[in-house]
Amino acid sequence: DGGITQSPKYLFRKEGQNVTLSCEQNLNHDAMYWYRQDPGQGLRLIYYSQIVNDFQKGDIAEGYSVSREKKESFPLTVTSAQKNPTAFYLCASSIGAEGKNEQYFGPGTRLTVT
Amino acid sequence: GEDVEQSLFLSVREGDSSVINCTYTDSSSTYLYWYKQEPGAGLQLLTYIFSNMDMKQDQRLTVLLNKKDKHLSLRIADTQTGDSAIYFCAERSYSSASKIIFGSGTRLSIRP
Repeated sequence: DGGITQSPKYLFRKEGQNVTLSCEQNLNHDAMYWYRQDPGQGLRLIYYSQIVNDFQKGDIAEGYSVSREKKESFPLTVTSAQKNPTAFYLCASSIGAEGKNEQYFGPGTRLTVT
Repeated sequence: GEDVEQSLFLSVREGDSSVINCTYTDSSSTYLYWYKQEPGAGLQLLTYIFSNMDMKQDQRLTVLLNKKDKHLSLRIADTQTGDSAIYFCAERSYSSASKIIFGSGTRLSIRP
């Protein structure tokens, strides 16, 4: 089955620790995205990557970092510099940025930092 | 800047039609989307409409686009309990091909 997987579903960390969220896709998509979702708010774009070894900042990149060493994988690191990291994180992928850019979403990771 | 707005809640009786509304600001929008999110899950693309269309119908779903007023709506006919979810309106502008701007989502609840 093709799709996007995110692990783990729930993640708990102490304040001051970096944490890496996994996102893997086997859809052979070139583009991948990370969003953050907070209650009552829409999705906000953190980082996106249109091709391997390249990525761009989204609207709220501060305190986050990414890498795109393989087409299938786009891990997100939430660093201790992120002031309010507790949120639901969604990864998505699309064939490319052209055309209707239909984005396929993973099931999400809920991160709680205390 | 680009902005997409939706009301936060909608309650509908089972079997009635649901109409979820959305307004957007970017006049260069090329595609407009409706996504559905069930509790604790990711988003699923329900339907989309290209900006040169006024209406698109897909089974129980009807999308209406009023470009003059920058207004998008999603009508769900014969609403069922399985339609309970958060519905996100989103738009993609010509000037920013990689970015999709999402609204805050409308939580649809179904009354028996």
